[in-house]
Amino acid sequence: SQQGEEDPQALSIQEGENATMNCSYKTSINNLQWYRQNSGRGLVHLILIRSNEREKHSGRLRVTLDTSKKSSSLLITASRAADTASYFCATALMNRDDKIIFGKGTRLHILP
Amino acid sequence: EPEVTQTPSHQVTQMGQEVILRCVPISNHLYFYWYRQILGQKVEFLVSFYNNEISEKSEIFDDQFSVERPDGSNFTLKIRSTKLEDSAMYFCASSVASGSFIDTQYFGPGTRLTVL
Repeated sequence: SQQGEEDPQALSIQEGENATMNCSYKTSINNLQWYRQNSGRGLVHLILIRSNEREKHSGRLRVTLDTSKKSSSLLITASRAADTASYFCATALMNRDDKIIFGKGTRLHILP
Repeated sequence: EPEVTQTPSHQVTQMGQEVILRCVPISNHLYFYWYRQILGQKVEFLVSFYNNEISEKSEIFDDQFSVERPDGSNFTLKIRSTKLEDSAMYFCASSVASGSFIDTQYFGPGTRLTVL
């Protein structure tokens, strides 16, 4: 897998259901960030989780990180139509400055 | 809440022309970045900038690209002679810290560059 690869590529669920997106990476990381992008728009930062953290919450969002499996998941509970967007994980590599590496994203579509 | 701003939102240019994309990072941030996203593809790192110099750049960031912080607030990306393949959404980002304390990178809304 590539550094920062989301799964699934696309997800459609009914409004009110929970949506789970996964991210896998290859190289040890300093932190992992999740971003949302509405079609053709900018990137909105959702959550940053550091390599020594296992779980973080923000509102309806829950992010987990398993460094032994080199994977992270983003759970959106009680989904809403406004959650329809692409979701990207981005990793900051251990001992590397500056850049974060994005995956290709999961396209989430919330059905009314 | 402070945010990164970018101008213009959309730039159309002829191949071979120079373009300058402008960004105003969040005021207390020290690290600045440019990324690009070709339509339908993933976001790619171009360059990072700290203390008035480039700290890291990708292989995409060749001699046609340059960055500058001309004053205390603006951060610009210049493409000297645009090519068709430069058509993309360009995102500016900034963060308080980087390196071993790499922190959240806040992104601007992007500039859509179309090269004809």
